[in-house]
Formats: sequence, C-alpha cells, structure tokens
Amino acid sequence: NAGVTQTPKFQVLKTGQSMTLQCAQDMNHEYMSWYRQDPGMGLRLIHYSVGAGITDQGEVPNGYNVSRSTTEDFPLRLLSAAPSQTSVYFCASLGSNYGYTFGSGTRLTVV
Amino acid sequence: AQSVTQLGSHVSVSEGALVLLRCNYSSSVPPYLFWYVQYPNQGLQLLLKYTSAATLVKGINGFEAEFKKSETSFHLTKPSAHMSDAAEYFCAVSLFSGNTPLVFGKGTRLSVIA
Repeated sequence: NAGVTQTPKFQVLKTGQSMTLQCAQDMNHEYMSWYRQDPGMGLRLIHYSVGAGITDQGEVPNGYNVSRSTTEDFPLRLLSAAPSQTSVYFCASLGSNYGYTFGSGTRLTVV
Repeated sequence: AQSVTQLGSHVSVSEGALVLLRCNYSSSVPPYLFWYVQYPNQGLQLLLKYTSAATLVKGINGFEAEFKKSETSFHLTKPSAHMSDAAEYFCAVSLFSGNTPLVFGKGTRLSVIA
C-alpha cells in the first residue's frame, strides 16, 4: 500500500543508547519531515528534507541527526538518548496536492 | 515566520451541539492552512485544507472551515457533534514557498457529552 511507513512502532531505550527511527515512502515525494509530539505541545518539527542530499533543521533539532541518501528513505538518528527525548515521533511526506501524508508514529520511551 | 494559535486546549460540547474550534494564524504572505484530527493512539488524518481557492472549505465527516484574511482566522466548525468526533484537532500552516515546513498549533481536545 502506498504511504509512509515508520518502524519500529514502539521502542524502549536506556539513557545513552543510540538508535535509528526508520521512515520510508513509496510515493516519490521529494519533501519529507520528522516531528515529535508531546502532550500540550502539538507537533514540533525536528528536521526536514527537500530532496535527496538536502536536509535542514526545524524547531527542535538538538540530539537528532538525519540524512537523505535516497528519495524514499529519511531515517532519524538519536546518537545518545536522553529521557527528554521520550515522545511520539511522526514522519511525513508532502505530495503535489499540498497534502502531507503522515506515518503511524513511533512511541519512544527513554529510561 | 508563520505560526498558529489554537484558542482553547480543551473544548467540551453536548452531542448534537455546534462544534467550533478556533485557529488564528500569523503569516507575512498568504498561507496554506490545514486541519488534522488525531484519534487516541493513532496518527494524523487530514480533515480539510485551504490552498487559496474557495474561502469556505468542506472536509470529511461534516466539518468545514472558513478562511478569513481580515481576521487571520481559519476556524473549524461542524453543525452537530457526534460522539465519534471526540479527538484531538490540530490546525497547521505552511507557506509552500521554498518548501517551507508545516507548522502546527498546540492542539484542541474535543470532548462530546451524551
């Protein structure tokens, strides 16, 4: 099925561990982005990409790295997880009809 | 930079009553505006979007929103609330120039009382 696929759906990390949240889309969208959702804060932009090889920081980029080697994939890396990174993470891509398609989210807990 | 303010973090209405969720935006150029809904433990679903065509936008599930440039508003309405409308609603803005990102409001949780 066409759409945005995020893996894993759930993850528990210990403080200081690293991990990569995966995001893949099969719609040939150039624009992709990562958000985190925290209670009462809405969705805040972490990083975004306007195409392969091009990324930029959003509102809350500290502690996160991204790269975009292909159009399809936009992984989000946590190099040294902290409890403040406990959140729900959403990946989204932008289609030509000005509509964003969101993944189903990754719920991350850092203990 | 663009921004969105959603007035009221929690709105409670009776079943059958009018739903009104408020959204005001700040933008230096004409924006594109969106409403999303999120049901518990689910992702975001697009309700409707304004992309500079008709100012009254109709969406899914009986929702609609009106773009008012003079008031910098894009309020979401539904004539008659159903229990199934209970969810969190997010207003968002984008400029779509130079691939500017989608900026969200903090959300409004809608409760529907039987």
